[in-house]
Amino acid sequence: GENVEQHPSTLSVQEGDSAVIKCTYSDSASNYFPWYKQELGKRPQLIIDIRSNVGEKKDQRIAVTLNKTAKHFSLHITETQPEDSAVYFCAASQDSGYSTLTFGKGTMLLVSP
Amino acid sequence: DAGVTQSPTHLIKTRGQQVTLRCSPKSGHDTVSWYQQALGQGPQFIFQYYEEEERQRGNFPDRFSGHQFPNYSSELNVNALLLGDSALYLCASSFTGGPHTGELFFGEGSRLTVL
Repeated sequence: GENVEQHPSTLSVQEGDSAVIKCTYSDSASNYFPWYKQELGKRPQLIIDIRSNVGEKKDQRIAVTLNKTAKHFSLHITETQPEDSAVYFCAASQDSGYSTLTFGKGTMLLVSP
Repeated sequence: DAGVTQSPTHLIKTRGQQVTLRCSPKSGHDTVSWYQQALGQGPQFIFQYYEEEERQRGNFPDRFSGHQFPNYSSELNVNALLLGDSALYLCASSFTGGPHTGELFFGEGSRLTVL
């Protein structure tokens, strides 16, 4: 089955800095890679996703890159703000009706004012 | 448009007891997946229901069972509770057959504490 590794487990940055979280996956059949943000006591919320037909996707301050050859993908957050503080999870699956996401263990991002 | 709703939000049980958690999917969705999220970990896939049948199952024992009803809502049952079953149980819904069927929408979860 799929295995997703995520690094780092914690990341502390100053407000305004950039943050990068990296994930690797094992199943070459995976072609859907979402990122979820989970605030304390809340549900995971999809913030951005990428499919294997593109290498990069951007949405305002958030971008995701995908290297399918190396089987890794990354989340980039620019101009971080205190409200970006949360746990971020990467995940991988096949983009089909049978999709079952395999999650990384999460990265706790702390943005200090 | 209501999102994914789950009940109860919190519950406390003792070892050996049984628990039932409930989930209503997002409007228009027909597929329900259940995930277990232990403290400090990522969600782990339990099973997925579509057309009232278990379509896929993760690495969880038979103590974990489920059901999907004709209105697409779903239940997760856990028998003979163990301390290690304490976790946040997340329900996620999706639409099989859509152009981007990999997308999951999560509910707020049911936090189970086993004493």
